[in-house]
Amino acid sequence: TAGITQAPTSQILAAGRSMTLRCTQDMRHNAMYWYRQDLGLGLRLIHYSNTAGTTGKGEVPDGYSVSRANTDDFPLTLASAVPSQTSVYFCASSDSSGVGSLHFGNGTRLTVT
Amino acid sequence: GQNIDQPTEMTATEGAIVQINCTYQTSGFNGLFWYQQHAGEAPTFLSYNVLDGLEEKGRFSSFLSRSKGYSYLLLKELQMKDSASYLCAVQDSNYQLIWGAGTKLIIKP
Repeated sequence: TAGITQAPTSQILAAGRSMTLRCTQDMRHNAMYWYRQDLGLGLRLIHYSNTAGTTGKGEVPDGYSVSRANTDDFPLTLASAVPSQTSVYFCASSDSSGVGSLHFGNGTRLTVT
Repeated sequence: GQNIDQPTEMTATEGAIVQINCTYQTSGFNGLFWYQQHAGEAPTFLSYNVLDGLEEKGRFSSFLSRSKGYSYLLLKELQMKDSASYLCAVQDSNYQLIWGAGTKLIIKP
């Protein structure tokens, strides 16, 4: 089934450790996004990429980094995790940057202890 | 600042009609989206409005008034599977999506 695959599904991470959340899409979409979703808040954009080779900062980029080496993959790295990064992380894509609906992965539930 | 407001929670009865409102204040406007999100799952696209008026798609309709900064999602013939959160999102002048916190809809038999 075409779509977006995120891994892992969930993770418990000790504070200070690093981790990479993986995201792969097979729809050949140009634009990809990382959001975090916290209770009582709307989805917040962490980083985005309008096309392979380019990335940009969203609303809450501090503590996170991304890369976009090719069209399909858009990993999100936490260099040194802190408890405030406990959240559900969604990767999404769209076929045109800024236009059209988003397709979301199933999310990664991350707990930083 | 930019802001999207929608009710936190609503309750409705199976078979009935429910209207979920969304008001927004954003820097420019390039469209409004509604997404459905079941508990523990990813959001899925429901509707898109960029011009004033009503867009109908089966049991779901979405309305937009740009002059009032207002939209609503109308769900008819409610089914138990409609129990979910409904997210309103607006694209601003930079085509960035601003998201509301979502409305949790509880359907009772």
